[in-house]
Amino acid sequence: GAVVSQHPSWVICKSGTSVKIECRSLDFQATTMFWYRQFPKQSLMLMATSNEGSKATYEQGVEKDKFLINHASLTLSTLTVTSAHPEDSSFYICSATRTSGKNIQYFGAGTRLSVL
Amino acid sequence: RKEVEQDPGPFNVPEGATVAFNCTYSNSASQSFFWYRQDCRKEPKLLMSVYSSGNEDGRFTAQLNRASQYISLLIRDSKLSDSATYLCAVNIFAGNQFYFGTGTSLTVIP
Repeated sequence: GAVVSQHPSWVICKSGTSVKIECRSLDFQATTMFWYRQFPKQSLMLMATSNEGSKATYEQGVEKDKFLINHASLTLSTLTVTSAHPEDSSFYICSATRTSGKNIQYFGAGTRLSVL
Repeated sequence: RKEVEQDPGPFNVPEGATVAFNCTYSNSASQSFFWYRQDCRKEPKLLMSVYSSGNEDGRFTAQLNRASQYISLLIRDSKLSDSATYLCAVNIFAGNQFYFGTGTSLTVIP
């Protein structure tokens, strides 16, 4: 079964609104979660590393004020796309690392965001 | 330079064929290596980890070549259900960062 839950799975919103996406680790504590974005027929692009209890680490070119990340507990990280625009339409996927010998990443089911 | 390079394909092969994918990585400090499978509009799912000595899981064999900094995935006796995009992933422990290749598209044809 799923070890990482992501919600919602699909969002359609008007331009200018903010959208929050939740990522939960279901049966383990995740001190680190990751947020990715994937455009059609392209690879996963790491946006930021979410650290529990501290500020997220953003990849170069990703606006931290545009993509707000909060990792308030060991099982929950949220990504808020603020003032979304059509160019933000994409597939957003979170993942969490379960440390058990090897650092294996488990992914949430992803959130398909469509901004009109 | 990208952390991970992967031939995007597409690879179109007949059922029963053997197909191999390669993936190169640039950071010699990379510690862990994985192959993921991603179906259309779905999240990636772990296919297998890649161990230094190479490892096999049924029809799938993964190899790691640290000297040349590449990993490979071999699929034998391809099935229609193997059609998907295969992503390689590399973990650099220092920053706990994972980098993914662009993915290789595989279509198995009846």
